[in-house]
Amino acid sequence: AQKVTQAQTEISVVEKEDVTLDCVYETRDTTYYLFWYKQPPSGELVFLIRRNSFDEQNEISGRYSWNFQKSTSSFNFTITASQVVDSAVYFCALRIYQTGANNLFFGTGTRLTVIP
Amino acid sequence: EAGVAQSPRYKIIEKRQSVAFWCNPISGHATLYWYQQILGQGPKLLIQFQNNGVVDDSQLPKDRFSAERLKGVDSTLKIQPAKLEDSAVYLCASSLGSARNEQFFGPGTRLTVL
Repeated sequence: AQKVTQAQTEISVVEKEDVTLDCVYETRDTTYYLFWYKQPPSGELVFLIRRNSFDEQNEISGRYSWNFQKSTSSFNFTITASQVVDSAVYFCALRIYQTGANNLFFGTGTRLTVIP
Repeated sequence: EAGVAQSPRYKIIEKRQSVAFWCNPISGHATLYWYQQILGQGPKLLIQFQNNGVVDDSQLPKDRFSAERLKGVDSTLKIQPAKLEDSAVYLCASSLGSARNEQFFGPGTRLTVL
């Protein structure tokens, strides 16, 4: 069975602070993909990043960075120098490699509030 | 490039009534998904189409929910009759089809059942 845990329900930071959103996943499959999505107040889920299980390289994209560690089954997301526009609910998701079905298993999300 | 379109954006109905949602995926995307997102939770897959065939509907409450994707493009999701616990946002997503491809989501339809 697949499971994604985002233990942090809500986080508040002051603008320009760094913040890390935690994601822990469970799967018995050896080939899988991990995703992060952002859901702003408008409601539309916005794709941020995809990682496959064989690529443990950390990635940086502007103020965003991701730390993937298979040893701890974690895929954490850090926002550096947070801005008010970063306020949203962030979801971590898991997809196993399976012919045909491409179901995304989502965590319960972390609501980030950036205070000006 | 146009994104995933959904309508209506909001719908309020009374329990036992029927409701239908419409989704138009990104052009060229063979795979279409319907998710249910209950307040405070992550989206949960209801059904996945590959072209006009169903790939996965294991979590679709088939006694009251139905979905179709005529001609492999647009899709409709119907609830008949609605229950209070169906209040949620219904998200449509589309992708190119393989497991590695990201899914692009529409704005969702917020359903309130009174």
